[in-house]
Amino acid sequence: AQSVSQHNHHVILSEAASLELGCNYSYGGTVNLFWYVQYPGQHLQLLLKYFSGDPLVKGIKGFEAEFIKSKFSFNLRKPSVQWSDTAEYFCAVNGDNDMRFGAGTRLTVKP
Amino acid sequence: GAGVSQSPSNKVTEKGKDVELRCDPISGHTALYWYRQRLGQGLEFLIYFQGNSAPDKSGLPSDRFSAERTGESVSTLTIQRTQQEDSAVYLCASTAHLAGPNTQYFGPGTRLTVL
Repeated sequence: AQSVSQHNHHVILSEAASLELGCNYSYGGTVNLFWYVQYPGQHLQLLLKYFSGDPLVKGIKGFEAEFIKSKFSFNLRKPSVQWSDTAEYFCAVNGDNDMRFGAGTRLTVKP
Repeated sequence: GAGVSQSPSNKVTEKGKDVELRCDPISGHTALYWYRQRLGQGLEFLIYFQGNSAPDKSGLPSDRFSAERTGESVSTLTIQRTQQEDSAVYLCASTAHLAGPNTQYFGPGTRLTVL
């Protein structure tokens, strides 16, 4: 069965710092990869997704993620975070008729 | 167009009571998922429906939990004899199809509080 690991449970950054959130998955077949964001008091929203093609995908609000197949990774990055990026971030993998989410990473950005 | 809707948005119940949560997926979406998010924890997969296939119930935490879906429409998640540990936000998501690229569209969730 596939699984998703997000190694950072809570990340605290100052504004303008660079961000990288790790996501690793275990599944040998073709996968579709997603990052979702949940702002405080709101429901989940899609941040970006990878299906095929360029492994570097760009999403909303300046986020990007890189799919590295050899490392089974799909890390989320942002060059300069803002206070409004404070939220919970979930990595998700869809493969083999199933969708699995990571446990989430809480990002706190200090003004 | 209309997104995924869930009702009620908030539900407070007493321990031991049964509750029923409703999800209206996006029209035409064949796959529907239920997740649970407990306070301070990540998403927990509960169950998914794909068309007329038998649902994948592998994530249901106990036999007090059950879900139904009629065709490709509304789904209800029922929790019998609720316990305090059932307190969580219950999220529903739908997707157009599971084979090939797909994106899950989430509802706003139902916040369940068991006293």
